[in-house]
Amino acid sequence: DGGITQSPKYLFRKEGQNVTLSCEQNLNHDAMYWYRQDPGQGLRLIYYSQIVNDFQKGDIAEGYSVSREKKESFPLTVTSAQKNPTAFYLCASSRDRSTGELFFGEGSRLTVL
Amino acid sequence: GESVGLHLPTLSVQEGDNSIINCAYSNSASDYFIWYKQESGKGPQFIIDIRSNMDKRQGQRVTVLLNKTVKHLSLQIAATQPGDSAVYFCAERGSGKSTFGDGTTLTVKP
Repeated sequence: DGGITQSPKYLFRKEGQNVTLSCEQNLNHDAMYWYRQDPGQGLRLIYYSQIVNDFQKGDIAEGYSVSREKKESFPLTVTSAQKNPTAFYLCASSRDRSTGELFFGEGSRLTVL
Repeated sequence: GESVGLHLPTLSVQEGDNSIINCAYSNSASDYFIWYKQESGKGPQFIIDIRSNMDKRQGQRVTVLLNKTVKHLSLQIAATQPGDSAVYFCAERGSGKSTFGDGTTLTVKP
């Protein structure tokens, strides 16, 4: 079945460590997105990519980095510069930059110990 | 900047009743709106969308209403069922990205 696959589902990290969250899609979508969700809040945009080898900062990009070397993959690295990284991270894709709904993965829950 | 908000963070209804979830947006240039449903521990799922050239759109048991004059949209769920219990988000799509509101938690009482 086509969809978005995020891994790992749960991740624990010590302070000062970088971690990378994986996001893969087999929907042949051009655009991909990373959102952060904190308890009781909406989704805030971290980074998005509308085409391979190109990406833009969202509203809360500080402390995060991404790459888009392949159409189907958009990994997110949470760096040690992110002061409050404990959150639920959601990856999404859409057919293109301007049309259609977002298709979301099941999310990755990161906890900093 | 853009913002999308929902009027109430929680809503509790009796099974079988109709539910109405509201959302206000600030960007008058927004031309595409989507409602998503998020169950606990999962990613949001598309429910229904509406473009700014429409006032109303109906799906299966759901209706979205758009009032551009007051920048307000609502999601109506008919004959609410226990499986409808979830968090509901409205989102505005524009400039290549989507902006989400904080969500309304719908609880359906049996």
